[in-house]
Amino acid sequence: DGGITQSPKYLFRKEGQNVTLSCEQNLNHDAMYWYRQDPGQGLRLIYYSQIVNDFQKGDIAEGYSVSREKKESFPLTVTSAQKNPTAFYLCASSGTNPRQPQHFGDGTRLSIL
Amino acid sequence: AQSVTQLGSHVSVSEGALVLLRCNYSSSVPPYLFWYVQYPNQGLQLLLKYTTGATLVKGINGFEAEFKKSETSFHLTKPSAHMSDAAEYFCAVSDRDYQLIWGAGTKLIIKP
Repeated sequence: DGGITQSPKYLFRKEGQNVTLSCEQNLNHDAMYWYRQDPGQGLRLIYYSQIVNDFQKGDIAEGYSVSREKKESFPLTVTSAQKNPTAFYLCASSGTNPRQPQHFGDGTRLSIL
Repeated sequence: AQSVTQLGSHVSVSEGALVLLRCNYSSSVPPYLFWYVQYPNQGLQLLLKYTTGATLVKGINGFEAEFKKSETSFHLTKPSAHMSDAAEYFCAVSDRDYQLIWGAGTKLIIKP
């Protein structure tokens, strides 16, 4: 079945540590997105990519980094510069037509040790 | 700039009662509109979308929404609530870009 796979489901970060969240899609979508979700705040866009080897900052990119070396993969690194990383992280993908909806993975919950 | 407003962070209805979740948007061009549902600790699932054509859109799980341009609204309804409908619901709008503008979400609580 086509879909988006996020891993791990739960992740713990120590002080000063960088962690990487995986996102893989087999929907043949060109566009991919990373969102952060905090209680009562809805979804906030971290980074997005419309094509391989290109990506743009979203509303809250500080303390995060991404890469897009393959169409199927869009990993997110939460760096030590992100002082409040505890949140639920959602990856999504879509086609290039804005009429097409975004499809979501099941998320990764990141916590601080 | 576009914006999406969902009225009510929490909505409580009795099982079997009408569900009405409100969404208003601001857009300078005719928008594309989406409703998503999120169950606890899961990703978002598309309920329905409006792009063009018929303004009454039917989705999954018995939900429907009506696009009203004059009111800039896209409210979500279901005639009879079921316990399994308890979840958080998000309205989103896009114009001609890849990005979606999201509402803050409404948690639907179903009372037995």
